[in-house]
Order: sequence, then C-alpha cells, then structure tokens
Amino acid sequence: IAGITQAPTSQILAAGRRMTLRCTQDMRHNAMYWYRQDLGLGLRLIHYSNTAGTTGKGEVPDGYSVSRANTDDFPLTLASAVPSQTSVYFCASSSGQGNTGELFFGEGSRLTVL
Amino acid sequence: AQSVTQLDSQVPVFEEAPVELRCNYSSSVSVYLFWYVQYPNQGLQLLLKYLSGSTLVKGINGFEAEFNKSQTSFHLRKPSVHISDTAEYFCAVIPNQAGTALIFGKGTTLSVSS
Repeated sequence: IAGITQAPTSQILAAGRRMTLRCTQDMRHNAMYWYRQDLGLGLRLIHYSNTAGTTGKGEVPDGYSVSRANTDDFPLTLASAVPSQTSVYFCASSSGQGNTGELFFGEGSRLTVL
Repeated sequence: AQSVTQLDSQVPVFEEAPVELRCNYSSSVSVYLFWYVQYPNQGLQLLLKYLSGSTLVKGINGFEAEFNKSQTSFHLRKPSVHISDTAEYFCAVIPNQAGTALIFGKGTTLSVSS
C-alpha cells in the first residue's frame, strides 16, 4: 500500500518559473490537503479539497492553485515561483467521514526558489 | 476562528526522563484534538487523538495526552523517553464542523540525549 505519493521529492527552481507538485493517493479518501512547512511556523494550510470537483482556500493560498479532477490526484501549481515559496510542501488526505480529522501525509516535496 | 499554541519550541531531555509537551487551543465551538509526530525527513504521523469520552487518551509509543476543557489544554506526556523519541511534535485542532481542516501549532522539537 503506497498511501500518498508526492513528486518531486526535491526541486530547485528559478524565480518566475512555473512548477507543479504532484500528489496521488490510493486510499480512495475524499478529502485532500496541501500544507507548507516552514521553520518556526509549523504547518500552514494552502488549499484543500473535500471531494473531487471542489477546492477551497486555506490560510496561505496566494500564489498557489489546485485542481481536483478525480479522487486520487491533487496537484499544486505555482504559476510564477518566488523565493518566499521556498519551503517543504506536504500533501495529506483523510477519509472525510465524521470529520475526525485524521490525516495521512506524504513524505514531502522540498522546493527551493532562487 | 481556532488557534493552537505550543508553549515550548524546544524541549531537551535526558533518556528515561519524563517529558510533557504543552498545547493550548482556542475555539468558539467544540473541537477535536490531535498530536502528530514528525521524524527527520519524513511526513507527519498520528500519535493520538481526542474526539470524545475519556479525557485521558493513549497513543502509540507510550505517549498519552489529557484533554482539559476548562484550561483549553491538551498536553502530551511520556513517563520515560527514549533516544528514538527525538522528533518534532505538532498539536492540532479541528472544529466539530463539516468541511473544515486541521489547524496546526508551530511545533515542539523534542531532543532526547543519553
């Protein structure tokens, strides 16, 4: 069982370039999330999707977009990367039943914007 | 709105000593509470959660936490830590409402030395 797969695991990117972080889950979970983790700031929610076809904004959505065309995939796109988007990005999913909130996380994607 | 405050950013302890990682939250509605652990270069995994019922909840690896509604706290404890418990620990809260996402504290780094 793979759980959640994120790609790439690490990437160095020039400012102004477009970048898509991929996230795929095989647990048939309804809800998926993107968080960024920064030292001293913990995890902050970027975007989420409660079910396929719907998305919502989290705490820090600016500069990011997401789509949820199907249950399994939830890509995160940086249209024009800036250095402040240097971070570790985690994708997560939950079954969404009863809102018990248990999340399953991917291994993370470390992004450096120069 | 909900918020989570982890009162200590770093907690250094010696092996076999007890440890308490403190977490306070604020919310105008009832919430579910969680502790997640992140080992170096990995994603987060669930340690334990409080949904309802007994205020003392037990999790994996010998950790436990006590929900105190009057003090709005959810402190994590372990009576005797091991070197392998060295990790980042995150307290998280989610409102008892459909369609919401976990809100994380900024994390506490537990460093266990011999």
